[in-house]
Amino acid sequence: GNSVTQMEGPVTLSEEAFLTINCTYTATGYPSLFWYVQYPGEGLQLLLKATKADDKGSNKGFEATYRKETTSFHLEKGSVQVSDSAVYFCALEAGGTSYGKLTFGQGTILTVHP
Amino acid sequence: DSGVTQTPKHLITATGQRVTLRCSPRSGDLSVYWYQQSLDQGLQFLIQYYNGEERAKGNILERFSAQQFPDLHSELNLSSLELGDSALYFCASSVAGTGVSPLHFGNGTRLTVT
Repeated sequence: GNSVTQMEGPVTLSEEAFLTINCTYTATGYPSLFWYVQYPGEGLQLLLKATKADDKGSNKGFEATYRKETTSFHLEKGSVQVSDSAVYFCALEAGGTSYGKLTFGQGTILTVHP
Repeated sequence: DSGVTQTPKHLITATGQRVTLRCSPRSGDLSVYWYQQSLDQGLQFLIQYYNGEERAKGNILERFSAQQFPDLHSELNLSSLELGDSALYFCASSVAGTGVSPLHFGNGTRLTVT
């Protein structure tokens, strides 16, 4: 079946540090890939997406590249801010019979200290 | 603000009871999704409706049911509640029926079964 595996957290960084959150997936066919972010007490918000191999999604300084050969979609940011503290979820939509269903990873808690 | 409204925000009830969670999608969105978020299972897709019809089903228990009404709001009914049903239940909406059209999440209903 389809699955998403994220690096275990929590991740704690100092402001302006480089961020990488690893995400790998298993899926049939050619899934679309997403990163969602959840701030305390709120619902999830789409951060970025990529719909085909070698696509790069980017938003608010965050980037992720769809790597089909390594089945990965790692999230990166060059310089994190305190306001980036949140839970980050990697997700896929497999299409086909999984049309419309998102499979999420377990989430990675990020804490950024001043 | 995502534009997706979920009520109530909190719900405390006893085992064996039945509850109804309500979701109003973002204006113009035809598709509604229900997700369950718990510490042990993470984010699990339950069910999707598109313009009043069931589109996709995930890990939804037989004790749970949902529907989408002509005005596009949706209700998730949970019956014969068990302690393990305690979780955060999210509703999300999108314009189209796929995750490529971004999902907009509500802030969730926290259900506590005692």
